[in-house]
Amino acid sequence: NIVMTQSPKSMSISVGDRVTMTCEASQNVQNNIAWYQQKPGQSPKLLIYYASNRYNGVPDRFTGSGYGTDFTLTINSVQAEDAAFYYCQRIYNSPTFGGGTKLELK
Amino acid sequence: QVKLQQSGAELVKPGVSVKLSCKTSGYTFSTIYMSWFKQIPGQSIEWIGMIYAGDGGTGYNQKFKGKATLTVDTSSSTAYMYLSSLTTEDSAVYFCARHNNYFDYWGQGVMVTVSS
Repeated sequence: NIVMTQSPKSMSISVGDRVTMTCEASQNVQNNIAWYQQKPGQSPKLLIYYASNRYNGVPDRFTGSGYGTDFTLTINSVQAEDAAFYYCQRIYNSPTFGGGTKLELK
Repeated sequence: QVKLQQSGAELVKPGVSVKLSCKTSGYTFSTIYMSWFKQIPGQSIEWIGMIYAGDGGTGYNQKFKGKATLTVDTSSSTAYMYLSSLTTEDSAVYFCARHNNYFDYWGQGVMVTVSS
């Protein structure tokens, strides 16, 4: 089974900063990765699919990149409403989620 | 617009079974897969399984075989998940989501609490 490992587990940043979080797959998954944002008490929201495609309505400050085993989600000029958990997910067979990165605002 | 509306919270005793529902609207139900997930508060998301509404074909995470059974009612565009013989380890929030390779629309989630 493919394991998705996210880092860091948490990060605290200021509004306006740029943040990068990573997701590592234990095997080559090509570009079959999605990223989700989840706020407390809410369901996850799709941000990025197939590693780098921004979903409908997602602000362009969110950017996904990577291929194979190493992936990143970058948020340029973080806004207060970006405080949330972020999860990567392997698309296709037996979808698997990473452990998540908690983004807190200072 | 696409909507997935899940049934209300459940408080059940150990050993009991429960059936959760996910009523959809805004798209052609029979043409897309539906997946279900488990999330224990404070933890990540686990995929339970998926069902193709067109023919009822299913696929499950091995971990949840025997625990979860997925069905659909195409006449009401509703997906169901039956959870059997619940234990305290089944206490969690359960989500349904439209499965379009990735998961683009999600239900609001339902809290299932198993307690004596």
